[in-house]
Amino acid sequence: QKEVEQNSGPLSVPEGAIASLNCTYSDRGSQSFFWYRQYSGKSPELIMFIYSNGDKEDGRFTAQLNKASQYVSLLIRDSQPSDSATYLCAVKANTNAGKSTFGDGTTLTVKP
Amino acid sequence: DADVTQTPRNRITKTGKRIMLECSQTKGHDRMYWYRQDPGLGLRLIYYSFDVKDINKGEISDGYSVSRQAQAKFSLSLESAIPNQTALYFCATSPTGYGYTFGSGTRLTVV
Repeated sequence: QKEVEQNSGPLSVPEGAIASLNCTYSDRGSQSFFWYRQYSGKSPELIMFIYSNGDKEDGRFTAQLNKASQYVSLLIRDSQPSDSATYLCAVKANTNAGKSTFGDGTTLTVKP
Repeated sequence: DADVTQTPRNRITKTGKRIMLECSQTKGHDRMYWYRQDPGLGLRLIYYSFDVKDINKGEISDGYSVSRQAQAKFSLSLESAIPNQTALYFCATSPTGYGYTFGSGTRLTVV
């Protein structure tokens, strides 16, 4: 079992819809969770982080964390074609941990 | 100037050659990392460093070495390059407990 698993996709949604990206992790002691967006040919860019159970909203993005289920998700509301990218989930064992473990990413396409 | 600068951006080298990838950052962070990215395999950690005197192996360190010359500089070396080291290499930096800022990447091809 991989430490961090994401739906491989690709995921396709129409413009204006909600895109839902999911991630599960195996280390129950994990405490820090991150979402990165990576456009084709570019480097990953941090877009959200969450440390506590529940929801965290930032503009059109909402990160959701459920530590009991070892599950973290990213919702993108009012999806735009510019949101088309690969989204990487990353997990750190604790807030002082030296490294993040990444999932393989989910590729999202938003169709006009 | 970019917060995290990687050089070169692209490199083609021959099997058996030694090659160094360089990374410098202006963020003032102590923590620096080297990852490689392969299609379908996500980002895999090669080495990471908490400060100049602290170097740690990641999950795929074999065939690689690193040097932390200063807080702002962290270099990755392939002592004898082989074709399966062809990949996209990213340097990253972070403050304690937070997410990463990545460099633009180095696309390395070993022929």
